[in-house]
Amino acid sequence: GENVEQHPSTLSVQEGDSAVIKCTYSDSASNYFPWYKQELGKRPQLIIDIRSNVGEKKDQRIAVTLNKTAKHFSLHITETQPEDSAVYFCAARRTGFQKLVFGTGTRLLVSP
Amino acid sequence: NAGVTQTPKFQVLKTGQSMTLQCAQDMNHNSMYWYRQDPGMGLRLIYYSASEGTTDKGEVPNGYNVSRLNKREFSLRLESAAPSQTSVYFCASSESGTGQETQYFGPGTRLLVL
Repeated sequence: GENVEQHPSTLSVQEGDSAVIKCTYSDSASNYFPWYKQELGKRPQLIIDIRSNVGEKKDQRIAVTLNKTAKHFSLHITETQPEDSAVYFCAARRTGFQKLVFGTGTRLLVSP
Repeated sequence: NAGVTQTPKFQVLKTGQSMTLQCAQDMNHNSMYWYRQDPGMGLRLIYYSASEGTTDKGEVPNGYNVSRLNKREFSLRLESAAPSQTSVYFCASSESGTGQETQYFGPGTRLLVL
């Protein structure tokens, strides 16, 4: 089955710096890759997603890139702010299936 | 719209006790899911229901059962709780077949098994 690896497990940056979180997946049939943000004590919420027919997608300060050949995708956050501090999860979904397989999460800490 | 709701928010059980976690969504979604979240393990799928009337096992189904009561409700039952089932449980729902795969999560149930 699908396996998703996520790195790093923790990431500390200064406010205004960029942050990059990377995920690799094992199933070449995966075609949908969402990213979720989970603030402390809250539920995970979708922040951006990308499909396999697109190489990059941006939404203001966040972007996701996908390399299908290498089977990895990354979340990029620019001009980080303290409110970006949270745990971020990547996930992958195989074509024709409903279920997502999640990475183990990255705890991002943005210091003022 | 309330979105996805879960009850209870917090529960303490003794080993061997049983309980049912309730989940409901008001977004008319076809698919519903139960996850558990443990430190360093991410979100692991326990069971899911692609549509009303169907249920399937996820990554970690042992010790759990589910019921898709109707399109709105999807419950998770622990028949004989074990300390290893101490976790935070999230229910989620999504549309299916329309290209809108976003999963919307409930607020979670924190379960402690002593």
